[in-house]
Amino acid sequence: ETGVTQTPRHLVMGMTNKKSLKCEQHLGHNAMYWYKQSAKKPLELMFVYSLEERVENNSVPSRFSPECPNSSHLFLHLHTLQPEDSALYLCASSRPGLGDSGNTIYFGEGSWLTVV
Amino acid sequence: GQSLEQPSEVTAVEGAIVQINCTYQTSGFYGLSWYQQHDGGAPTFLSYNALDGLEETGRFSSFLSRSDSYGYLLLQELQMKDSASYFCAAPNQAGTALIFGKGTTLSVSS
Repeated sequence: ETGVTQTPRHLVMGMTNKKSLKCEQHLGHNAMYWYKQSAKKPLELMFVYSLEERVENNSVPSRFSPECPNSSHLFLHLHTLQPEDSALYLCASSRPGLGDSGNTIYFGEGSWLTVV
Repeated sequence: GQSLEQPSEVTAVEGAIVQINCTYQTSGFYGLSWYQQHDGGAPTFLSYNALDGLEETGRFSSFLSRSDSYGYLLLQELQMKDSASYFCAAPNQAGTALIFGKGTTLSVSS
């Protein structure tokens, strides 16, 4: 148990479907992140929210749409995805300001997404 | 740009010592972190170096040389449960997110 909970853990969706991934953190953090992890690729940063404002959008296609309604919850809305979007989507949280000494991020278990 | 390079695979036997290296290129640098990820699990934080030198936490140690843009994770008295992927990471220039290396898969055999 990492204090960051992601649902669903597994999702299979067709290319025309609309689905959402949910993340909830119980650590009292103010920053939340979405990362994508594919085979043979590093953890790729997708989005960063700090104090509920989006501060990073790492050239992610518009078929991925994040939402951060409050500091404890983060969503990733998915629509018209492609098979190459199949991956592990990891949510993480931290205190703001990773340049501060010792500040670290805490990951959820991830949502395995398969696009068919 | 920003990048972190580490070997893709390392193998070792139980009881051995293994060192996983990480070299980085960053526009600004705050410090180097290490994360462990078991198959099917979440990446979990292992250690952080902001200053040059060695940080020791039980069987795991991490080293940083800012002048060489280099660090390593040292795992001692290896156990089978240490088989996992290990990632080095550093904050981006703005300090708003962590950028990760591609990960090193460690396989420990008996």
